[in-house]
This record gives sequence, structure tokens and C-alpha cells, in this order.
Amino acid sequence: NAGVTQTPKFRVLKTGQSMTLLCAQDMNHEYMYWYRQDPGMGLRLIHYSVGEGTTAKGEVPDGYNVSRLKKQNFLLGLESAAPSQTSVYFCASSYSLRQLTGELFFGEGSRLTVL
Amino acid sequence: KQEVTQIPAALSVPEGENLVLNCSFTDSAIYNLQWFRQDPGKGLTSLLLIQSSQREQTSGRLNASLDKSSGRSTLYIAASQPGDSATYLCAVRPRLLDNAGNMLTFGGGTRLMVKP
Repeated sequence: NAGVTQTPKFRVLKTGQSMTLLCAQDMNHEYMYWYRQDPGMGLRLIHYSVGEGTTAKGEVPDGYNVSRLKKQNFLLGLESAAPSQTSVYFCASSYSLRQLTGELFFGEGSRLTVL
Repeated sequence: KQEVTQIPAALSVPEGENLVLNCSFTDSAIYNLQWFRQDPGKGLTSLLLIQSSQREQTSGRLNASLDKSSGRSTLYIAASQPGDSATYLCAVRPRLLDNAGNMLTFGGGTRLMVKP
């Protein structure tokens, strides 16, 4: 049981390049989230999904796109990376609030540097 | 807008001491509150989750309490050990029926160091 797995764990990009972060969970969770963590800013929600085929904006969605084509996967895309997107990205998942408590489970993080 | 504050930002204690970490929030309309531990360079590990109807939750040497009316939660760690050294974060889930119920607000964390 792997829980929440993120790939890649590290990536260096040049300004303007694109990339996709993949999050996979094997707990059959309905809800999935992408956060970024920056020094002094704490954890901020980028986008989230409450089920397969659905996505919604979080607190800081600009510059990012997401897709949830399969229940177990949640992809975060950067179409044109900027230095301000240098951060540590965390994926999380939970059961829906109708099913259980909504306890969040996190991946190990993906460290992205944009030069 | 919900604001979550954790004081102190950093704490250093000798091994064996009992300690309390604080988490305060401004909007008492919460669904639940969750405490996490984060080791350097790692993800967040869930420690305890307290539903809004509960007053406390316990797991081993950890005890979390919730006082919704005063907007406070505490995480009590008994007989601290060097292995407890980490950053501890609390997160509040709002009591909302729509998708906004997924907009959790995190505190800035308390960085704990337990010295041998």
C-alpha cells in the first residue's frame, strides 16, 4: 500500500518550459489536492478535485492547470514555468466528507526549481 | 477569511519534558481540525483529527484538544523524545456544504527540537 505517490521528486526547469507533476493514490479516495509550500507562506491550495473528471480552483490557481481523468491520478501542469513557481509541491487525498472524516493524506513532495 | 496561527514558531525543550503546541483560528465554523507532523524535506504525516463535535483525541503520547468557541486547539506531547523533533502543523477544514469545504487553512507550523 503506497498511499500517495508523487513523480518526479525533483525537477529543474528553465523559464518558459512546461512540465507535468503526477500524483497517484491507491486508497480509492474521492478528493485530491495540489498544494505548494513556500517559506513564510505556509501551505496554499492550488487546485483540487472532488471526483473523476472534476476540478476546481484553490487559493493560488494562476499559472497552473490540472486534470483528473482517472480517480487515482491527479495531474498538475505548468504550461510556461516562471521563477515564482519555484516551490515544493504536495499532493494530498482524502475520502469525501459524506463517506468519512475527510482526513488528509500527503505525498512526499516534489521540489521544483525554475531558473 | 479564516486565519490559523501557531505560536510559538519554534520551540526547544530537553528530552523527557511534557509540552503543549498551540493552534488558534479566527472562524469557529469548522468541520474538523487536523494536526500534522513534517520532517525536513518530507511530506506531512497525519497525527490526529478532531471533528467539530469532539473535544479531544488521543494517540499514544499525543493528545489533541479542541475548544471551538474560543478558536483554539492544543497538541500535548508527553515525555518528549529526540525523535519528536519536527515541524507540527494544524489545519482547519471549514464547515461548508459546497466545494468550498475543501479549502483547508493551514497554520505556519511550530518547529520543535527535543534535545537529548
